Amino acid sequence: GAGVSQSPSNKVTEKGKDVELRCDPISGHTALYWYRQSLGQGLEFLIYFQGNSAPDKSGLPSDRFSAERTGGSVSTLTIQRTQQEDSAVYLCASSAYRDTGELFFGEGSRLTVL
Amino acid sequence: GDSVTQMEGPVTLSEEAFLTINCTYTATGYPSLFWYVQYPGEGLQLLLKATKADDKGSNKGFEATYRKETTSFHLEKGSVQVSDSAVYFCALFPNQAGTALIFGKGTTLSVSS
Repeated sequence: GAGVSQSPSNKVTEKGKDVELRCDPISGHTALYWYRQSLGQGLEFLIYFQGNSAPDKSGLPSDRFSAERTGGSVSTLTIQRTQQEDSAVYLCASSAYRDTGELFFGEGSRLTVL
Repeated sequence: GDSVTQMEGPVTLSEEAFLTINCTYTATGYPSLFWYVQYPGEGLQLLLKATKADDKGSNKGFEATYRKETTSFHLEKGSVQVSDSAVYFCALFPNQAGTALIFGKGTTLSVSS
């Protein structure tokens, strides 16, 4: 597609449920990032995929969070047993070049945990 | 660790006013510096960048100069427009393999006519 596509755009769930957020990066982009944007907290790095290398998971806040990237393209971020503090906008970005700061962002998935 | 600090908003200006949004950074190496912008209802997009000291990034009338001596990358525009209303994020890339972009908390700019 022309840009980074994320789905769903909005998700409301109950505390304790699992959620999956999907990211479809720009075709040919080898790097894929997940960030979390909370009110007043800016953008928090979660996880980074680069080609076939092992992902950098250093930003995941707890073991309830996991992500995978299949076939070097689509990525899914999974949050298990959601908590109210997980409410945020989850942003996906991709990059054509390895190890640069030039990222293309999707519009995000807004997660609300009741 | 590396970090970015930017002025808190909101910043409220009248059209044609001069804009400065301050950004300072802490880094152990030689980072690249960026400004990203998030317009209402849209995803973040790269506004400008600078990859080494004394470089000036510019785009859409915005400018920022990479000042190593003051560890700063302040965003400026001489005459803002209503369409510039957005959230602006200063960001740092550590230029080390396998690292991610580090963002400041964002500054909301509101321009009125």
